[in-house]
Formats: sequence, C-alpha cells, structure tokens
Amino acid sequence: DAKTTQPPSMDCAEGRAANLPCNHSTISGNEYVYWYRQIHSQGPQYIIHGLKNNETNEMASLIITEDRKSSTLILPHATLRDTAVYYCIAPSYYGGSQGNLIFGKGTKLSVKP
Amino acid sequence: NAGVMQNPRHLVRRRGQEARLRCSPMKGHSHVYWYRQLPEEGLKFMVYLQKENIIDESGMPKERFSAEFPKEGPSILRIQQVVRGDSAAYFCASSPTISGANVLTFGAGSRLTVL
Repeated sequence: DAKTTQPPSMDCAEGRAANLPCNHSTISGNEYVYWYRQIHSQGPQYIIHGLKNNETNEMASLIITEDRKSSTLILPHATLRDTAVYYCIAPSYYGGSQGNLIFGKGTKLSVKP
Repeated sequence: NAGVMQNPRHLVRRRGQEARLRCSPMKGHSHVYWYRQLPEEGLKFMVYLQKENIIDESGMPKERFSAEFPKEGPSILRIQQVVRGDSAAYFCASSPTISGANVLTFGAGSRLTVL
C-alpha cells in the first residue's frame, strides 16, 4: 500500500465543516484513495473514494491534489454522530487487481457541541 | 438488501475451546475479507478469500487459525484451542470485484471473549 500519513486527532465544532487531510506522496498512478471511518467499536464504514478527480457523495467530498500526493476529506456540516476514527487508505494495485485494505492509525475526529 | 451478516455477535469461550465465526457476504459479492481488532488497537488484515479459494492469508497467525469460504454457505473463521490473547473483535467484509475500484462493505463484527 502507498504509505499514508494522517494527523492523529482533530476537533471540529458541530455544524462546521470538518477537513481531514491525508498525505500519500508515494501513490502510484492507478492506485485509488479510499476513506473509511469507524464509529466507536462498530464495523468500518465506507465513505468515499477517488483516483484523480474530486468526488462528492451524500456523505462527504474528496479533494485530491493535482499531483495526487495528498487529499482532503470534507464533511460539510459535521454532527456529533460524525465523531469517529477516519482512515485514509491507498491500497497497492498489482497484477490487475487491487490489494487488501491496510488500515493505519487514522485520525480521531471529535465533533464538539 | 441485507448487508454483510456476521454471527454470532458475541461469543464467550474458555481457554482451549474452539471458536467458529460466520460471515455471509452481501448478495452478489464473491470476495470475503477477515480483519481482527484487538482492544484499543487498529484493524489488522487476516485473510482474503474467494469462493473455495484462499487468495491471501498473509495476516493469519501460523497456528490455530483457519478460514474457508465454501461454494455454498457462509465464510467461516475458525480458531482452535483459543487463548486469552484471541479476545478481540473480528470483522468480515465483502466486495463484488477487485478490478478497478474495490469498495469493501463491513459487517458489525463478532466479539470473542476468552475466559
């Protein structure tokens, strides 16, 4: 997997946008960037993924820099229920197949009232 | 449209007993992954399976652990002669394909407690 670097923790005020950064400077051209989160001890939840272009879905937006060395996950209006550990993952791509997701330590986002 | 189903949700075993954890992937998904999360630690990849094949077991402990995904029925993670250090949450995930983007859907997990 391309090594990803995330801040260990972040705080965000409820109702404000949460911007979670991720560095993946060794990413290859065909490797996607995925974001998952884990709320307390629940199963991880897929949020969004992207390759080159910025992406948006009902949960979040993903901004990928032009050189693809970093990305930012944006939760536009954070709520208390968004408090979770957020994982940025860039699995290796070999032999025409994507490798397994390797979870790092992620960023612990605390949304405060 | 049920998601990834794991059972049991909670399992208590005494040292030396066997634990069997089951995972039914989402409908249409033929790839299954098992992860383990020790208390206060991150998720660790264990094994990746397709129907009747183990594709990558690089994260599986060398002894006592085995996994299968038969042609019919759920995937099974089996832990023989459990020890206290096996106490953890075991998460299963499934995906429809591994070409291009591969989005994994996770189950709610099975929590094993070894007394």
